[in-house]
This record gives sequence, C-alpha cells and structure tokens, in this order.
Amino acid sequence: NAGVTQTPKFQVLKTGQSMTLQCAQDMNHEYMSWYRQDPGMGLRLIHYSVGAGITDQGEVPNGYNVSRSTTEDFPLRLLSAAPSQTSVYFCASRRFVEEGYTFGSGTRLTVV
Amino acid sequence: AQSVSQHNHHVILSEAASLELGCNYSYGGTVNLFWYVQYPGQHLQLLLKYFSGDPLVKGIKGFEAEFIKSKFSFNLRKPSVQWSDTAEYFCAVSPGEYGNKLVFGAGTILRVKS
Repeated sequence: NAGVTQTPKFQVLKTGQSMTLQCAQDMNHEYMSWYRQDPGMGLRLIHYSVGAGITDQGEVPNGYNVSRSTTEDFPLRLLSAAPSQTSVYFCASRRFVEEGYTFGSGTRLTVV
Repeated sequence: AQSVSQHNHHVILSEAASLELGCNYSYGGTVNLFWYVQYPGQHLQLLLKYFSGDPLVKGIKGFEAEFIKSKFSFNLRKPSVQWSDTAEYFCAVSPGEYGNKLVFGAGTILRVKS
C-alpha cells in the first residue's frame, strides 16, 4: 500500500495563477482532509470530505475549492493564487476516528 | 473560541533529560486526542492517541500521555529523551462523536543536545 500520496512535492506559482494539488489514498478511507501548515500556527483545516460526493469547509477555506468524485482522490484547487497561500499543504485520511489520521508527505507551495 | 493550546513553542533538553509537553483544549463533551511528531523535512506521524478507557496511553518510541478530563489536558511525557527525538510535536483534538475535524495546537519544537 502506498498510503496517502501527494503531488507535486514542490510548486512555485505566480500571483493569479491556478493549480490543483493532488491527493490520493489506497486504503479505502472514507474521510479525507486538507491542511495548511504555517510556522508557529500548527496545521489548519482547509476542507474535508466524509465520503464521495460530500465535502465541507474547515477553518480556513477561502481561496480553495475541493470536490470528491471518488473515494480515492481529493484534489485541492487554488483558483487564483495569492502570496498569502504560500505554505506547506498536507492531505490526510482516516477510516475510523479512533484509528487516527494518515498524512501525506506534503506539497510546498510558493506564490510569488 | 474553542482551541488547542501548547504551552511551549521551543524546548531545549540534554540527552537523558525527562520531557513533558503540555497540551490543553477547550472543547466540552466527547473528544479524541492525539499527539503527532514531525521530524525535520518529513510528514506528520502518529505518536499516540486517546479514544477511551485508561487515561494513561503509551505510544511509540517510549512516549506516553495522560488524559486528565477535569483539567482538559493531554500532556506528553518521555522519561529520557534521545538526540533522535529532535522534532516538532503537535497536540491535536478531534471533538465530537464523529470527529470530522482535527484541530491542532501550534506545535512545540524540541531540540535535544547530544
């Protein structure tokens, strides 16, 4: 099993550009989520999904869109990148809450 | 606002010293509690978790944590740290029965001097 796979690992965008961060898991987890990590702020929840076709907002959803068409994939879209979106993005998934979350290796995004 | 607080942002210890990292949360009702570790340049790994039962939970690499419900705390401990424990440690709380949101503290950077 590959676990949670995120692509790309690094990305530089210009302000106003759009892109999609990919996240895929092969563990048949219903729950998937996206976080951003900024120094001194821990990880903050952007969006999450409890199953295919169901998504909801987290703590910092503005500027990001998600969709969940399959159990395996949960892409994060930046429609018009801003320098404030420079961060490290982590995708996580789980089956049952008591099992804890499995995290991907992250995408380091820089918006210039 | 409901939150998760980690008391120290930076901790520096010598090898063999004891470690205790504080974590307090402000959610009432059912909570699931976690400690994650992030080694330099790596992703988060689950260190230990509390769901129910014995409030003293043991995790990997000799870490343990104690859930004290009356104090809304979930402190992480290790009797004797090693240089390889140098990392950032995150407390996280999943409130509610379904636990659809995992809320993180700001993290504690631990540096162990050899």
